[in-house]
Amino acid sequence: AQTVTQSQPEMSVQEAETVTLSCTYDTSESDYYLFWYKQPPSRQMILVIRQEAYKQQNATENRFSVNFQKAAKSFSLKISDSQLGDAAMYFCAYRSSINAGNNRKLIWGLGTSLAVNP
Amino acid sequence: DGGITQSPKYLFRKEGQNVTLSCEQNLNHDAMYWYRQDPGQGLRLIYYSQIVNDFQKGDIAEGYSVSREKKESFPLTVTSAQKNPTAFYLCASSKAQIAGGEQFFGPGTRLTVL
Repeated sequence: AQTVTQSQPEMSVQEAETVTLSCTYDTSESDYYLFWYKQPPSRQMILVIRQEAYKQQNATENRFSVNFQKAAKSFSLKISDSQLGDAAMYFCAYRSSINAGNNRKLIWGLGTSLAVNP
Repeated sequence: DGGITQSPKYLFRKEGQNVTLSCEQNLNHDAMYWYRQDPGQGLRLIYYSQIVNDFQKGDIAEGYSVSREKKESFPLTVTSAQKNPTAFYLCASSKAQIAGGEQFFGPGTRLTVL
C-alpha cells in the first residue's frame, strides 16, 4: 500500500525568505500523481501544485515550486518570497494513475504547519 | 461561481442522535468524497462516490452513512453508532474520468458532540 510521510510537523520562515517543506512517499507504481494542498486558518483546503510522475520537469506555480525526485520518492515544496498569507497547514498527497476502485482515493500525509514571521 | 457548499458550518449533536451534514456542488463533477479531519491525523476518507446511486466505503466508514441520489448532492449522516464523532468534516469533488484531477473542497463542517 502507498504511504505519504511529512517529517516536519512544524516549520517557520521569515517573511520574504524561502522555505522548503519535505514529503516522501512509498509506492511500487511507476505512474502516479502528487499534490500539495494548503489549509489556512479558515480551513478551506486549496490546491497549491500538482505533479505528474511521468513528467520529469518540476511543476511551478508562481512562488511555489516542487523538487520531484522520482528515484528517491521525494516531493518537496519550495515557497519563495514567503508572505504572511502563506501561513497554513500544508499537506502532501499521492494518487495512483489507475482510475478504478480504491486506487481513486488520495493518500494524505499528516501535514506541516508553516508559520511566517514578519 | 462554481464551487462546493457545506452546511451547517457548525453543528452540535447530543449523544445518541443522528445528524446529517450537507454537501452540494455545481461543478458538474461525477466524483464526491467525505473526509474526516482530526488534530494530528490528517485527512481520513469516510466514503466516496464516483457516480449517482453508487458509493464505496473509505477507510473509516463505520458509524457513517451516505446517499447519492443526485449528481450535485452527497449528504453524510453521522449515526449514533459513531463513538467519537467530534471532528471537522470536509467534502470534496473531482472529475471522475481524470485520474490525476484535482479534488475541490468545501469549507467544512465542525461537528461537536455535547
